[in-house]
Amino acid sequence: DQQVKQNSPSLSVQEGRISILNCDYTNSMFDYFLWYKKYPAEGPTFLISISSIKDKNEDGRFTVFLNKSAKHLSLHIVPSQPGDSAVYFCAASGRAADSSYKLIFGSGTRLLVRP
Amino acid sequence: SAVISQKPSRDICQRGTSLTIQCQVDSQVTMMFWYRQQPGQSLTLIATANQGSEATYESGFVIDKFPISRPNLTFSTLTVSNMSPEDSSIYLCSVGRGEFTEAFFGQGTRLTVV
Repeated sequence: DQQVKQNSPSLSVQEGRISILNCDYTNSMFDYFLWYKKYPAEGPTFLISISSIKDKNEDGRFTVFLNKSAKHLSLHIVPSQPGDSAVYFCAASGRAADSSYKLIFGSGTRLLVRP
Repeated sequence: SAVISQKPSRDICQRGTSLTIQCQVDSQVTMMFWYRQQPGQSLTLIATANQGSEATYESGFVIDKFPISRPNLTFSTLTVSNMSPEDSSIYLCSVGRGEFTEAFFGQGTRLTVV
């Protein structure tokens, strides 16, 4: 049972345009949602997060939108730059049965920003 | 933020052998996590390692296959035992903060079993 889904395995965008990466989830009990960027041969790097009580969080070129009724979030990157080319993972955080917090990851979307 | 160092960064191992991966954090953390990323797949949580107690394993992962040590608040090891080619993956160490408003990862260990 995949609780966090990224249905687009890849996305190609022209430099300077907007990149929109999407993520859907099934568990309404998730408290936070996070986006990570991963380059080859490196660990994931935290980008931005959003609390489940908010619908938008912005940090520079990165904005995350949360639609709780649709159980959907998206990451907007504008303007996109070639250095943004990486795999982007959506993750959700929630309490497990033992009260610990766990991160559940989507399968990732590979973004290519063309010069 | 936290700086996490993992060793080795990559290894090629013979089937049937074991590999121990080390994770060192530059600050004291309560909980450390071990993930696996199989080729083309997402990151899957293997276990949570708390200092001074047994690790908590996720469904599908067992202590005999993935023994974990957590001797202090800055260090943990994950052993991949009796390896088979299906264990070929990237293994990642992670630490979280609070309610996971952020989590930090090491650079990963790329394991190939031949």
